[in-house]
Amino acid sequence: SAVISQKPSRDICQRGTSLTIQCQVDSQVTMMFWYRQQPGQSLTLIATANQGSEATYESGFVIDKFPISRPNLTFSTLTVSNMSPEDSSIYLCSAGIVTGELFFGEGSRLTVL
Amino acid sequence: SQQGEEDPQALSIQEGENATMNCSYKTSINNLQWYRQNSGRGLVHLILIRSNEREKHSGRLRVTLDTSKKSSSLLITASRAADTASYFCATPMYNDYKLSFGAGTTVTVRA
Repeated sequence: SAVISQKPSRDICQRGTSLTIQCQVDSQVTMMFWYRQQPGQSLTLIATANQGSEATYESGFVIDKFPISRPNLTFSTLTVSNMSPEDSSIYLCSAGIVTGELFFGEGSRLTVL
Repeated sequence: SQQGEEDPQALSIQEGENATMNCSYKTSINNLQWYRQNSGRGLVHLILIRSNEREKHSGRLRVTLDTSKKSSSLLITASRAADTASYFCATPMYNDYKLSFGAGTTVTVRA
């Protein structure tokens, strides 16, 4: 299993600003992912965080808006850039191991005013 | 895009009763997973069932998988107040580790 720590756990941000969310895993994992969960909705995959290279983004998500870093096997960051109220969501870091199941952080709840 | 669709969207039961929720998916899969989310927090992995399995148990949880109907069910027996949560099915995207989540079923267990 893996324990995932995310911070901040919540934040209130002003329109037009950017916020970086950090994700730390307590063990080396194969895959790391970032999901978004809009209010009352399910999870949508933003991107796969690739160690030492550019993230792989899903349709509808772009690097300029959601830059992601993964400098090593256990750490990743997601930045939400130039925020608008539509970006108010829970952002979840997850990590996968070879068994296929995902482990999740507690999420970062962002409110954009 | 979401591959899994769940029903019902919401379920309210009395403590001690069983709760059943269903998940349907569209394309062939090699496994299907169920997760629980308490009150907007992180997701907790419950169970993974592989495409060559028809039924799997874990404590009070029973999961079935019917690949011919592209559907799965999650049964929670003898429910408790602590089972109040949202439950999501998830299937692999592109046959790799990325998961696509269904819309979820919100379960409320009344004391």
